[in-house]
Amino acid sequence: EDKVVQSPLSLVVHEGDTVTLNCSYEVTNFRSLLWYKQEKKAPTFLFMLTSSGIEKKSGRLSSILDKKELFSILNITATQTGDSAVYLCAVEAKSGGGADGLTFGKGTHLIIQP
Amino acid sequence: ETGVTQTPRHLVMGMTNKKSLKCEQHLGHNAMYWYKQSAKKPLELMFVYNFKEQTENNSVPSRFSPECPNSSHLFLHLHTLQPEDSALYLCASSQGRGTGRDEQFFGPGTRLTVL
Repeated sequence: EDKVVQSPLSLVVHEGDTVTLNCSYEVTNFRSLLWYKQEKKAPTFLFMLTSSGIEKKSGRLSSILDKKELFSILNITATQTGDSAVYLCAVEAKSGGGADGLTFGKGTHLIIQP
Repeated sequence: ETGVTQTPRHLVMGMTNKKSLKCEQHLGHNAMYWYKQSAKKPLELMFVYNFKEQTENNSVPSRFSPECPNSSHLFLHLHTLQPEDSALYLCASSQGRGTGRDEQFFGPGTRLTVL
């Protein structure tokens, strides 16, 4: 059974701090790992990672994947109160055909205090 | 109108009612998904449709019945639900297998309460 574990489950920091969120996974026939930000209802897509060691960046957010050690990290630098959200990690496995659903972790609830 | 939309946004129903959730995507995608998000639990995949064909049914009880009449619309028909089915139901879409672009985009969800 595919498994995704995120840590920490919750994190409270002050504005301006840098945070690192962790995601480890066990999946048969790994295809990709995705990060989402969920503020109120629908998760919004952040990154898709398929190759080890290639950092993806978007503004103050960056992420990297290690397929040997089976984990990914999401970094947020110079945090702002608007970064407060639940950050979800998900993995997609290859199948013989058709679209694949995702297996999600429980998420990291990040709170940025002013 | 853009993205993935879901209606209704909130739904309260009794255990004997029959209702349907609707999802529509305006992204030209070919794959659509239903997820269930219960409190303090990870998102759970329920159903996957790729090019209008159901490719996955993740051990979902038969009281949930999906329908995908075309690539843009996805329904979830509900009947004789239980209180433990109360959750946020999220729809997502992606370009579909073989396109190389499989990141999923989510709708706002339907908050379902079963009394």
